[in-house]
Amino acid sequence: GAVVSQHPSWVICKSGTSVKIECRSLDFQATTMFWYRQFPKQSLMLMATSNEGSKATYEQGVEKDKFLINHASLTLSTLTVTSAHPEDSSFYICSAGGPNQPQHFGDGTRLSIL
Amino acid sequence: SQQGEEDPQALSIQEGENATMNCSYKTSINNLQWYRQNSGRGLVHLILIRSNEREKHSGRLRVTLDTSKKSSSLLITASRAADTASYFCATDASGSQGNLIFGKGTKLSVKP
Repeated sequence: GAVVSQHPSWVICKSGTSVKIECRSLDFQATTMFWYRQFPKQSLMLMATSNEGSKATYEQGVEKDKFLINHASLTLSTLTVTSAHPEDSSFYICSAGGPNQPQHFGDGTRLSIL
Repeated sequence: SQQGEEDPQALSIQEGENATMNCSYKTSINNLQWYRQNSGRGLVHLILIRSNEREKHSGRLRVTLDTSKKSSSLLITASRAADTASYFCATDASGSQGNLIFGKGTKLSVKP
């Protein structure tokens, strides 16, 4: 079946650092990918829709200058958390898949900002 | 924004028993999907039920959908300890690109 690979799986870094997370579709092309955030013991919240070759669409309340999304190819989307602070610590998960179809999720990235 | 509620928030049962989880949503949908998440991991797709379907089965899983009540249920029969996980419903709203709106989830614990 379709596989989505997310890297890294765990990041610990100092406050003020920028962190890049990669999401790759391994055996299919994805013109659209989605980035979600999950706080401990909570559900997933959509952050943004990543569109290949165009600007990402951000959900209300998500700072686009804080969470930079690049979708430069049909198999790769990246999320960069710029100047990360402790409140950005969370579990970030990407998914890919077409409308009205099952979504394929990466294994997530646990981000801890000290 | 959160689509709706799931209940119960937590469910603890013995191996062999059935587990039922419910989900409600608010908007028109193309489909409703159920996912499983083991602690600290990504989501695994379990089953997708389209808006024109009322019931769907996959192995020990049975999903129902009532669009008039905007609700769905997931039944896991003959549960196993390995079924211990969090279960989320998610809706694919009409007109969406595939982005999902998740319920709050049910944490299932199956005791051996």
